[in-house]
Amino acid sequence: AQKVTQAQTEISVVEKEDVTLDCVYETRDTTYYLFWYKQPPSGELVFLIRRNSFDEQNEISGRYSWNFQKSTSSFNFTITASQVVDSAVYFCALTSNNAGNMLTFGGGTRLMVKP
Amino acid sequence: DADVTQTPRNRITKTGKRIMLECSQTKGHDRMYWYRQDPGLGLRLIYYSFDVKDINKGEISDGYSVSRQAQAKFSLSLESAIPNQTALYFCATSAEGGPNTEAFFGQGTRLTVV
Repeated sequence: AQKVTQAQTEISVVEKEDVTLDCVYETRDTTYYLFWYKQPPSGELVFLIRRNSFDEQNEISGRYSWNFQKSTSSFNFTITASQVVDSAVYFCALTSNNAGNMLTFGGGTRLMVKP
Repeated sequence: DADVTQTPRNRITKTGKRIMLECSQTKGHDRMYWYRQDPGLGLRLIYYSFDVKDINKGEISDGYSVSRQAQAKFSLSLESAIPNQTALYFCATSAEGGPNTEAFFGQGTRLTVV
């Protein structure tokens, strides 16, 4: 069975602070895919990134960066210089070849960025 | 217009009532999914369908049924709604192509059972 754990249920920061959202996953599959989604207050799910298990390169996209470490089964997400518009619930998710396209989600981390 | 459309967006219903949540997509995808979101639990899979003639139970299918009326339509039914089915429901689609394929989500249906 697959599992995704987001231990931080809620984080509060002040604008311009950096913040890291943790994600730890479990799977027995050797080929798997990790995702991050953002859910703003309006409720929709916004795709942020996909990473496969063979690619441990970190990725940076503007103020967002992701640190994938297979050794610790972690796929952490950092927002640099946070902004109020970053306030949302963030979900980490996992799927694998044996799971088809079905995603296993973590419980989510609610990020509140205060002005 | 959204690629994945869910109706209704919000619904309040009484215990014991039958209710249907509808999902339609213009992505041309074969694969469709229904997820349920509860606070602290993330999203959990209820049912999924890989084509019109294929229906599969997900992690939490009890109390739910689905119908794949066409490639573009996938509806979720609660035959007799109960209060613990109060949640945010998401429909999603993906193209055939393995787990690397991105899932596209609808905007969600907020269901309250009183």
